Amino acid sequence: GENVEQHPSTLSVQEGDSAVIKCTYSDSASNYFPWYKQELGKGPQLIIDIRSNVGEKKDQRIAVTLNKTAKHFSLHITETQPEDSAVYFCAASTPEGAQKLVFGQGTRLTINP
Amino acid sequence: DTAVSQTPKYLVTQMGNDKSIKCEQNLGHDTMYWYKQDSKKFLKIMFSYNNKELIINETVPNRFSPKSPDKAHLNLHINSLELGDSAVYFCASSPRHGTQYFGPGTRLTVL
Repeated sequence: GENVEQHPSTLSVQEGDSAVIKCTYSDSASNYFPWYKQELGKGPQLIIDIRSNVGEKKDQRIAVTLNKTAKHFSLHITETQPEDSAVYFCAASTPEGAQKLVFGQGTRLTINP
Repeated sequence: DTAVSQTPKYLVTQMGNDKSIKCEQNLGHDTMYWYKQDSKKFLKIMFSYNNKELIINETVPNRFSPKSPDKAHLNLHINSLELGDSAVYFCASSPRHGTQYFGPGTRLTVL
């Protein structure tokens, strides 16, 4: 089955700097890659997603890139703000198991003012 | 307007007890899920229902039994609770093959 590895497990950056979180997946059939943000005491919230027919997607300060050949995808947050501090999860799913998301281990992002 | 809601938010109980967690979504989605998040924050799917039909059943002890009375509700019943069941349980919903939206979670503590 699918396996998703996420790095780093913790990341601390200065406010205004950029943050990058990376994930690799094992199943070359995976075609959907969402990113979720989880704030303390809350449920995961989708922030951006990408499908395998696209190499990059951007939404304001957030962007995701996908390299299907290398089977890895990354989340990029620019101009970080204190409210970006949270745990971020990547996930992957295949067409057959499109309703089964396999999550990475999570990255705790801390933005230092 | 709450999209995916869960009750209770906190649940503290003794080993061996039976408890239920309720989930409701008002998004009109066909598919609902239960996930377990352990103490290390790892999220893993437990079950998925589509139009009241079970479609995903991961390797979960049969003490856990989901029940979907209609497509807007997916409840989770746990029998004979064990210490290792302590976790945060999340309900989610999605259109078929669409984005999953998560509820606020239920923190279960088994003493």
